[in-house]
Amino acid sequence: RKEVEQDPGPFNVPEGATVAFNCTYSNSASQSFFWYRQDCRKEPKLLMSVYSSGNEDGRFTAQLNRASQYISLLIRDSKLSDSATYLCVVLPTDSWGKLQFGAGTQVVVTP
Amino acid sequence: DVKVTQSSRYLVKRTGEKVFLECVQDMDHENMFWYRQDPGLGLRLIYFSYDVKMKEKGDIPEGYSVSREKKERFSLILESASTNQTSMYLCASSGSGRSYEQYFGPGTRLTVT
Repeated sequence: RKEVEQDPGPFNVPEGATVAFNCTYSNSASQSFFWYRQDCRKEPKLLMSVYSSGNEDGRFTAQLNRASQYISLLIRDSKLSDSATYLCVVLPTDSWGKLQFGAGTQVVVTP
Repeated sequence: DVKVTQSSRYLVKRTGEKVFLECVQDMDHENMFWYRQDPGLGLRLIYFSYDVKMKEKGDIPEGYSVSREKKERFSLILESASTNQTSMYLCASSGSGRSYEQYFGPGTRLTVT
């Protein structure tokens, strides 16, 4: 079983719509959580950290559910430029900074 | 702005060749990482280093070695390249402490024929 699991998609989303997707993680001792964004043929870049109380950054909202061990990302008012692969990333406790990456969820925003 | 650079964007090598991939970061980060990324498998950690001359195996170290002689530079070595090492190779760096955000280089797409 993978340590971080994501639905690969693609999620096809009309421009202006809302899309949400989850990832699950297996290590209950994980201490920090992130969403990274990766554009086609580019390197991953940090989109946002995920805090226990949930957090927003503009049109993006991240939620953490420790009891069920999942993280979610919601994108409101989708833009064409939101088309990318979104990587769910987990930092286990005592991991020397080694992040665990999901394989990514592909989002395609269509006009 | 953090900058992580990699020596090549595209590389084609023959089976059995020795391959060097270099990564340089300019943020004085303690931690450096080498990953490979393959479709459907995501990022897999090959090796990482948390200090000069220190190295730790990641999840898939077989067939690879690394070198970190200076803090800013982390090299990945394929001693004898094989076709199953055809992949995208990504280097990353991060600081220590609470912020473990990793900054990635642009990647090297390696093809072994």
